[in-house]
Amino acid sequence: DAGVTQSPTHLIKTRGQQVTLRCSPKSGHDTVSWYQQALGQGPQFIFQYYEEEERQRGNFPDRFSGHQFPNYSSELNVNALLLGDSALYLCASSPQAVPGQGLFFGEGSRLTVL
Amino acid sequence: GENVEQHPSTLSVQEGDSAVIKCTYSDSASNYFPWYKQELGKRPQLIIDIRSNVGEKKDQRIAVTLNKTAKHFSLHITETQPEDSAVYFCAASRSGGKLIFGQGTELSVKP
Repeated sequence: DAGVTQSPTHLIKTRGQQVTLRCSPKSGHDTVSWYQQALGQGPQFIFQYYEEEERQRGNFPDRFSGHQFPNYSSELNVNALLLGDSALYLCASSPQAVPGQGLFFGEGSRLTVL
Repeated sequence: GENVEQHPSTLSVQEGDSAVIKCTYSDSASNYFPWYKQELGKRPQLIIDIRSNVGEKKDQRIAVTLNKTAKHFSLHITETQPEDSAVYFCAASRSGGKLIFGQGTELSVKP
């Protein structure tokens, strides 16, 4: 079992650009959550997807959007990048039976905005 | 708003000693409390979790206690080893909902 896989692992963008991050959940998991982890901070919840719909959203602007596909994989899109968007973006999956519990995290995508 | 406070931010112990990390949460509807260990450059890994209908849970050298009245929960690591060195995060959530993480505790276990 490969666990949660994320791509790309590292990327560099400039202010104003757009980025798409991808995530494949752990086998048997159908719920995907995205978190932003700034350096030296705890992860902050962005949103959660189940059945291809955004089920819950944290305090992030509309520049942050997502999608879940029928195979449960997910994408995180960030538009009009700001310097403050530089962070580690973590994808986490869990089974619907306990959607927010036993979260299994991927290794993350480290985004640097210059 | 929802908040989780975690203390201390750094903790240094000698190998074999115990380590205790404490968290306080603000949302009284929280009913799930996991702890994650994150090594440098790695993903957070779930090490133990507790639900609100239980006051204490133990797994080998790791234990978690929960006081719902005071809205406190704590992680206890006994017989610490150098490989326990990492950043530890507590979190709280309502059923099925988002996890609210604490700010993290950097634990250093000196041989």
